[in-house]
Amino acid sequence: SAVISQKPSRDICQRGTSLTIQCQVDSQVTMMFWYRQQPGQSLTLIATANQGSEATYESGFVIDKFPISRPNLTFSTLTVSNMSPEDSSIYLCSVEGVGQETQYFGPGTRLLVL
Amino acid sequence: GEDVEQSLFLSVREGDSSVINCTYTDSSSTYLYWYKQEPGAGLQLLTYIFSNMDMKQDQRLTVLLNKKDKHLSLRIADTQTGDSAIYFCAESITGGGNKLTFGTGTQLKVEL
Repeated sequence: SAVISQKPSRDICQRGTSLTIQCQVDSQVTMMFWYRQQPGQSLTLIATANQGSEATYESGFVIDKFPISRPNLTFSTLTVSNMSPEDSSIYLCSVEGVGQETQYFGPGTRLLVL
Repeated sequence: GEDVEQSLFLSVREGDSSVINCTYTDSSSTYLYWYKQEPGAGLQLLTYIFSNMDMKQDQRLTVLLNKKDKHLSLRIADTQTGDSAIYFCAESITGGGNKLTFGTGTQLKVEL
């Protein structure tokens, strides 16, 4: 399976500020995803990060709030913009596995907004 | 729409078997997954099953799929304290290259 790292691992931010989360994979992958896990909840897909084009967002998520970059096949960033306490969550990136049957997750970024 | 449900909590004694259940509604699901999330950690893929199978065994883990009833289960044999975690089932229509829809998660507590 791919080795996925995320930075930062956790952060405490003030409302109204923005935070950019990085996701790095140790091998080239076609598909990269960003999920959100709110406290005590399950995971919800935010968007699919497309290399060389705009991300594909799920219902309820917009580019202005969660801009995503995917400059190459091993790296992506997710920005949480103009944060409010409701954005306090774990943000996880994931990638498809070899053979396209599996999906592997990074360790997550734990965000607390005060 | 898609909806994946799990019971919230399961408590077992060390050495017993654990059975975690999951029901889903999307009959077009092709792949079904079990992930483990330990406190403060990300998600670890435990196992997965293709929809044309009804059982898959991997060491202490046994996955059963009843496609007619849209029911998936994960059996952990000889449950250990290290198995204490939240377990999520997830479904996908086309596999790992597409959106996963996750269940609500089952917290497994293993008692001595």
